[in-house]
Amino acid sequence: GQNIDQPTEMTATEGAIVQINCTYQTSGFNGLFWYQQHAGEAPTFLSYNVLDGLEEKGRFSSFLSRSKGYSYLLLKELQMKDSASYLCAVTSNTGNQFYFGTGTSLTVIP
Amino acid sequence: KAGVTQTPRYLIKTRGQQVTLSCSPISGHRSVSWYQQTPGQGLQFLFEYFSETQRNKGNFPGRFSGRQFSNSRSEMNVSTLELGDSALYLCASSLNPRDLYGYTFGSGTRLTVV
Repeated sequence: GQNIDQPTEMTATEGAIVQINCTYQTSGFNGLFWYQQHAGEAPTFLSYNVLDGLEEKGRFSSFLSRSKGYSYLLLKELQMKDSASYLCAVTSNTGNQFYFGTGTSLTVIP
Repeated sequence: KAGVTQTPRYLIKTRGQQVTLSCSPISGHRSVSWYQQTPGQGLQFLFEYFSETQRNKGNFPGRFSGRQFSNSRSEMNVSTLELGDSALYLCASSLNPRDLYGYTFGSGTRLTVV
């Protein structure tokens, strides 16, 4: 089976750095994705990790440790528009299917 | 290019009725997947279609069904609606089943069952 855990809610201050953690237990791990979803909108792709290490893309970075079943999404220089839900999703090597966590609702305050 | 289009955006149905939701993928995308999103459960996989064939199915009752047409457009149907079926239904398209990097979601259909 698949089990993905992430915190339900987080609050951070504009301009600060926030780290959203995701732990997973999965059979046949293939890769890990992070998506951003604003209220009432489609989830949009942020990052993809298949190998251990850090992937950096502008203000967003994602880290993966396959041996620990652990990933985090790092958001730097937080902006008000970063208030959204952040979804961690794992894919398996058995098919085109994402297993999602319940999402972390991030609120950025002034 | 146009994104993934889901219709309708909002829907209110009565318990016991049935409902059909539509998803038009990005032009050229032949794989379509459906997810149910609820606050407590997050996104849960319903099924995946490629070339008009269901390739994968999640753990949902038989009341949930779907199909894909030759133009890659997909529909999902829920019969005998229950209050617990109230959710945001998202579809996602990609070029093919292995194109996970190109997975693109639509904005969803918000179904409310009363």
